Amino acid sequence: DGGITQSPKYLFRKEGQNVTLSCEQNLNHDAMYWYRQDPGQGLRLIYYSQIVNDFQKGDIAEGYSVSREKKESFPLTVTSAQKNPTAFYLCASSILGASYEQYFGPGTRLTVT
Amino acid sequence: DAKTTQPPSMDCAEGRAANLPCNHSTISGNEYVYWYRQIHSQGPQYIIHGLKNNETNEMASLIITEDRKSSTLILPHATLRDTAVYYCIVRVANYGQNFVFGPGTRLSVLP
Repeated sequence: DGGITQSPKYLFRKEGQNVTLSCEQNLNHDAMYWYRQDPGQGLRLIYYSQIVNDFQKGDIAEGYSVSREKKESFPLTVTSAQKNPTAFYLCASSILGASYEQYFGPGTRLTVT
Repeated sequence: DAKTTQPPSMDCAEGRAANLPCNHSTISGNEYVYWYRQIHSQGPQYIIHGLKNNETNEMASLIITEDRKSSTLILPHATLRDTAVYYCIVRVANYGQNFVFGPGTRLSVLP
């Protein structure tokens, strides 16, 4: 089955620790995205990448970092500089072009205490 | 900021049509209207999208007004499994390839 996988589904960390969230897709999509969702809110874009070895900041990139070494993988690191890291994180991918939809993974719920 | 306006919540009786409105009065000529839905604690699911013409697929119909300033998503026979938050999105074509998600409409399908 083609799709997007995110692991793990639930992640717990202590404050001050960096944590990396995994996102893998086998859809052969060029573009990949990371969003953050807080309770009762819409999604906010953290980073996106349209091609391997290139990525752009979204609306709320501070405290996060990404890499895109392979087309199918786009890991997100939540650093200790992120002031409020507890949230639901969603990864998506798409074919390039405004007429193509994004496909979303199941999400990772990160809790930092 | 999201370029769309949606009611925060709606109810619909099971088996009836659910009509979800969306205003996008500042839409540009080359921007698409997309609809997604999100069931609690899951990733958003694509429903349908359109540019000018009305569209229909196995999940829903999308009606876009002639001036493109508003649209309506129609779920023809709502079931309890259609209870979700529905997002209307105008694709910001000149900002990478990104979607801007607002708070959406929480649809509750009632038995």
